[in-house]
Amino acid sequence: DAGVIQSPRHEVTEMGQEVTLRCKPISGHNSLFWYRQTMMRGLELLIYFNNNVPIDDSGMPEDRFSAKMPNASFSTLKIQPSEPRDSAVYFCASSLFPTGNTIYFGEGSWLTVV
Amino acid sequence: AQKVTQAQTEISVVEKEDVTLDCVYETRDTTYYLFWYKQPPSGELVFLIRRNSFDEQNEISGRYSWNFQKSTSSFNFTITASQVVDSAVYFCALSGVNDYKLSFGAGTTVTVRA
Repeated sequence: DAGVIQSPRHEVTEMGQEVTLRCKPISGHNSLFWYRQTMMRGLELLIYFNNNVPIDDSGMPEDRFSAKMPNASFSTLKIQPSEPRDSAVYFCASSLFPTGNTIYFGEGSWLTVV
Repeated sequence: AQKVTQAQTEISVVEKEDVTLDCVYETRDTTYYLFWYKQPPSGELVFLIRRNSFDEQNEISGRYSWNFQKSTSSFNFTITASQVVDSAVYFCALSGVNDYKLSFGAGTTVTVRA
């Protein structure tokens, strides 16, 4: 079975540009997560969707960040406008409710904002 | 609040040596899940194991073994006869049974030299 699929794997963009990261969760999973990994802060949960509904977006750093899940098989994380401090690895992950089940991560999207 | 501590930042061993990664956790929950994830140099986060707090049996999977001791709030991970391919960052994580949030440790970087 396919795992969590993310695109792009690598993105280099200039400050001020819009960045869109995409995610396809594991088929049948009803929970989707966006995490960010940096050297300074480690792995941070940005937002959590359950059944396509955002449940917890308290980790979204600021209004420049937005996430959507229009259907059960697709989610986007958008940064507009991007800043150098947004450079990080962004992971999408999915799991099957009830909570506590294993969360499976994608390969990550490595973002560099110059 | 939940907290996971991986006191070892880096471990370097020679191939075929055993290596043990320590993980200590704090939680007020009576039931919870513990996890180990591996992040190889390619960057993806790979799930290794999930342990329910009710199950204190140790587990072995090939060269990997896990020692869960509730009395000391520890969930240690041992790689037996290490190989170069084991070189990675290993993360210990914790979640409540009814909590979608994973609390990650800071990670331990394991380097296995040929």
